[in-house]
Amino acid sequence: SQKIEQNSEALNIQEGKTATLTCNYTNYSPAYLQWYRQDPGRGPVFLLLIRENEKEKRKERLKVTFDTTLKQSLFHITASQPADSATYLCAPLNDYKLSFGAGTTVTVRA
Amino acid sequence: DAGITQSPRYKITETGRQVTLMCHQTWNHSYMFWYRQDLGHGLRLIYYSAAADITDKGEVPDGYVVSRSKTENFPLTLESATRSQTSVYFCASSEVGDTQYFGPGTRLTVL
Repeated sequence: SQKIEQNSEALNIQEGKTATLTCNYTNYSPAYLQWYRQDPGRGPVFLLLIRENEKEKRKERLKVTFDTTLKQSLFHITASQPADSATYLCAPLNDYKLSFGAGTTVTVRA
Repeated sequence: DAGITQSPRYKITETGRQVTLMCHQTWNHSYMFWYRQDLGHGLRLIYYSAAADITDKGEVPDGYVVSRSKTENFPLTLESATRSQTSVYFCASSEVGDTQYFGPGTRLTVL
């Protein structure tokens, strides 16, 4: 069956450090994969989309990689700030619909 | 710019009652989606719509009904609410089906 796995543990990091989140998927061959941010009590907000023919995508302090051989995407937050504290959701395209992982909660300590 | 709105934001109902959750978007997006979010499960797709009068089932459609008579509205109805439908419901819209824009959510409790 199709499965999406994100870091099972919450991530606690010091301000200024890099947070690296993992998204592994099985039995998918997504044409693209998206990352969303969700704050408590709010709906997810789109951050980045990376296509299967792209190895890496950047947006400000965010970087996403996509390895279709490993079936894995990595999401990096560089120079992290307390305002980056949130839950981050991975969403590969599955049969022209998005499927979402359960998310990884990141807490950045000042 | 209202974007995408959901109502009500909070709802408490009893088992067996019919409940309708509303979703309205002002972007004229073709695609609209309904998800539920439960601890440990992430977002699960209930129903989606590619255009007015076109709807299709998602991963967990049982117990839910949708309609889309107008592009801007996509109501979700629980015909006979059950406790297992206690959840947070999110509506989303998308112009071409990729990047999705989410509403603020409706927290539904079924007693």
